[in-house]
Amino acid sequence: AQSVTQLGSHVSVSEGALVLLRCNYSSSVPPYLFWYVQYPNQGLQLLLKYTSAATLVKGINGFEAEFKKSETSFHLTKPSAHMSDAAEYFCAVSEYSSASKIIFGSGTRLSIRP
Amino acid sequence: DAGVTQSPTHLIKTRGQHVTLRCSPISGHKSVSWYQQVLGQGPQFIFQYYEKEERGRGNFPDRFSARQFPNYSSELNVNALLLGDSALYLCASSLTGGNTEAFFGQGTRLTVV
Repeated sequence: AQSVTQLGSHVSVSEGALVLLRCNYSSSVPPYLFWYVQYPNQGLQLLLKYTSAATLVKGINGFEAEFKKSETSFHLTKPSAHMSDAAEYFCAVSEYSSASKIIFGSGTRLSIRP
Repeated sequence: DAGVTQSPTHLIKTRGQHVTLRCSPISGHKSVSWYQQVLGQGPQFIFQYYEKEERGRGNFPDRFSARQFPNYSSELNVNALLLGDSALYLCASSLTGGNTEAFFGQGTRLTVV
């Protein structure tokens, strides 16, 4: 069975500082990996996805993530945090052979300090 | 272009009642998935439908059921509501049943009292 583990339910950084949100996955097959963002009272928006084309994936709003098979990790980073980045972030994995069934982590709430 | 639309946006029901939630996918999308997001947790997969057939089911009791109509819209039905069914119910649509990007609606907030 596939699963993802997000380390840290809450991360707080200063505006302009590096953002690092950690995600480790478990999968017996090559996974599809995703990061989604959820703003208060809204649905989920896809930030980026890994589909085996490249290990470093660039997404929207300046975010990127690196797939490291040896570490089974897919951490999300952004060089400089903006106040507008404050939201809940979810790492997710999709079963290779099961269409659109996405398994989400428990989420990390990102707070930005002025 | 309209995104994924869900109705209603908010709903309050009493324990034991039945509820129907609705989802209209993006035009041209043939796959709809349903997720339950309990407060403070990540979404959990409930169902996936593609071309009106069930393609996947998560670990939810038989009180939960769904269907997809010829126009690819979908309904999620929950019978005999429990307090624990209170959650944000998210619908996602994708172009095909494969691993294409899923686009999420803003959800229906269900409160069971």
